[in-house]
Amino acid sequence: EDQVTQSPEALRLQEGESSSLNCSYTVSGLRGLFWYRQDPGKGPEFLFTLYSAGEEKEKERLKATLTKKESFLHITAPKPEDSATYLCAVQAVEDSNYQLIWGAGTKLIIKP
Amino acid sequence: DVKVTQSSRYLVKRTGEKVFLECVQDMDHENMFWYRQDPGLGLRLIYFSYDVKMKEKGDIPEGYSVSREKKERFSLILESASTNQTSMYLCASSPGTGGKQFFGPGTRLTVL
Repeated sequence: EDQVTQSPEALRLQEGESSSLNCSYTVSGLRGLFWYRQDPGKGPEFLFTLYSAGEEKEKERLKATLTKKESFLHITAPKPEDSATYLCAVQAVEDSNYQLIWGAGTKLIIKP
Repeated sequence: DVKVTQSSRYLVKRTGEKVFLECVQDMDHENMFWYRQDPGLGLRLIYFSYDVKMKEKGDIPEGYSVSREKKERFSLILESASTNQTSMYLCASSPGTGGKQFFGPGTRLTVL
């Protein structure tokens, strides 16, 4: 069964303390892996798409990487405004072109 | 700027009521989606539509129906609301078959 697991469920960091969030997936064929950010009371906002192992994408303090079994979202020197829930989703080759399989998310809290 | 709007941010209904949730996008996207989001679970797809008057069941369609009479509007209908349908409902749209979706702010529905 295709599934996406994110860890940890929650992560508390001090401002400036770098860390990583994990997204592990099991699909028979990966079409794409997607990272989203969700602020409280809002819908998810797209961050990155990764398609193949070894690929990396960066945006400000965030860097997403992909291997054949997992993706990491690295956060370098985070600030309080980086606090949010980060969601990972995958699109499998065998599924319809529209459906994503979502992880439950990691809630990131950055303390000043 | 890309925009997806949902008719209500908060809604309280009674068991057995018929409930309409409406979503409008201004980006001329072909695809539209309805998800529900519950704590500890990933986003779960209820229905999606890839064209006007076309719809496909997602993972949890039971108790729901949808309508797409115009390209920009996608409605979710709860025929007879039940307490287990208390949830956050998120609408999204996308321009193609990839996983980059644009989300509305969500409707938090409480069924008493």
